[in-house]
Amino acid sequence: GAVVSQHPSRVICKSGTSVKIECRSLDFQATTMFWYRQFPKQSLMLMATSNEGSKATYEQGVEKDKFLINHASLTLSTLTVTSAHPEDSSFYICSARTLGLAGDEQYFGPGTRLTVT
Amino acid sequence: EDQVTQSPEALRLQEGESSSLNCSYTVSGLRGLFWYRQDPGKGPEFLFTLYSAGEEKEKERLKATLTKKESFLHITAPKPEDSATYLCAVPSTDSWGKLQFGAGTQVVVTP
Repeated sequence: GAVVSQHPSRVICKSGTSVKIECRSLDFQATTMFWYRQFPKQSLMLMATSNEGSKATYEQGVEKDKFLINHASLTLSTLTVTSAHPEDSSFYICSARTLGLAGDEQYFGPGTRLTVT
Repeated sequence: EDQVTQSPEALRLQEGESSSLNCSYTVSGLRGLFWYRQDPGKGPEFLFTLYSAGEEKEKERLKATLTKKESFLHITAPKPEDSATYLCAVPSTDSWGKLQFGAGTQVVVTP
């Protein structure tokens, strides 16, 4: 299957600082990438849709000025959490959409654990 | 509002004890359904995409089926390495790529 990587896998930062998370599709090009957030014992919640070369589309309730998304190329999307606060601590997961042998498929990265102190 | 409901929330199986997980949905004009496996602290691993009622797909000990109202993930003769949380997801009506996930079924297979 297709491979999606994320970096870093874990990050601890102080309240008020910004953190950047990278998502890369390693062996395919993805015109669309997605960012999800997952709190403990809960399922994934979509935050935003990232399209290469255009502005991201945010889900209702997600602050676009706080979660900056850039999709600079067909293989890279970044999520920057600005002025992070403890309540932003979560597991952030990206995914990339592609058309595979089995049809429309969406592959997820390994996730980034963000802890804000 | 579209809803995806998975049952049971948790399932404990003996090795070799086959079982089924359920994913029911209330989505107008369903265009497909995804199954994923998620291990603790990791991102979801893609298993299947099902597109229409009556479709079935298999991968090793897993078999996914789809009806007009629900999907089942059958685990045949599970092994301890099949222990994971299994998630189903449906695309939103306004965008295929935007997935709405169920809460998942946590499966534990004991030797």
